[in-house]
Amino acid sequence: DAGVTQSPTHLIKTRGQQVTLRCSPKSGHDTVSWYQQALGQGPQFIFQYYEEEERQRGNFPDRFSGHQFPNYSSELNVNALLLGDSALYLCASGGTAGADTQYFGPGTRLTVL
Amino acid sequence: QKEVEQNSGPLSVPEGAIASLNCTYSDRGSQSFFWYRQYSGKSPELIMSIYSNGDKEDGRFTAQLNKASQYVSLLIRDSQPSDSATYLCAVGFSGGYNKLIFGAGTRLAVHP
Repeated sequence: DAGVTQSPTHLIKTRGQQVTLRCSPKSGHDTVSWYQQALGQGPQFIFQYYEEEERQRGNFPDRFSGHQFPNYSSELNVNALLLGDSALYLCASGGTAGADTQYFGPGTRLTVL
Repeated sequence: QKEVEQNSGPLSVPEGAIASLNCTYSDRGSQSFFWYRQYSGKSPELIMSIYSNGDKEDGRFTAQLNKASQYVSLLIRDSQPSDSATYLCAVGFSGGYNKLIFGAGTRLAVHP
């Protein structure tokens, strides 16, 4: 039973560029949440997707956008990258609405130069 | 602003001792509580979930929840050097939909 997968593992971009990160949820899960974890901090909630819709959003600017596909996989897009966007980006999947337990993927380490 | 507070540590304990990790939260309506373990450079790994007041045990781990005091803790018995990691407390936002609010984590160091 495959767990949550993310790609790529590492990414280096320069300021102003755009980036797309990808996530496939754990088998049987239909909800995908994205988190940003800066060094030395806990993960911060970006947004959550369910039934291909953004269901709720954290305090992140519109430069952060996402998408969920019919197979429940998801993408996180960040436009106009800033140095402060350098972080570990985590995808977490969970069961149908009402099931709280979330499982994290290995993460994508984004470095913005 | 809903918050989750943890001591950053490091908490240093000798091998074989009990490690006690604590967490407080501000949203009185929170219903779900989680402990994740995160090794350096890796992603968080779920250790325990707890939803009701009292204790929940799983192997060497015991989670304790006191909703009246808005307090949740994790006890690790017979601590091993392999338990050395950052432990993240996460609270399910009372608005539902699986949104988790994390503390900054407590770094645990178990020395031989």
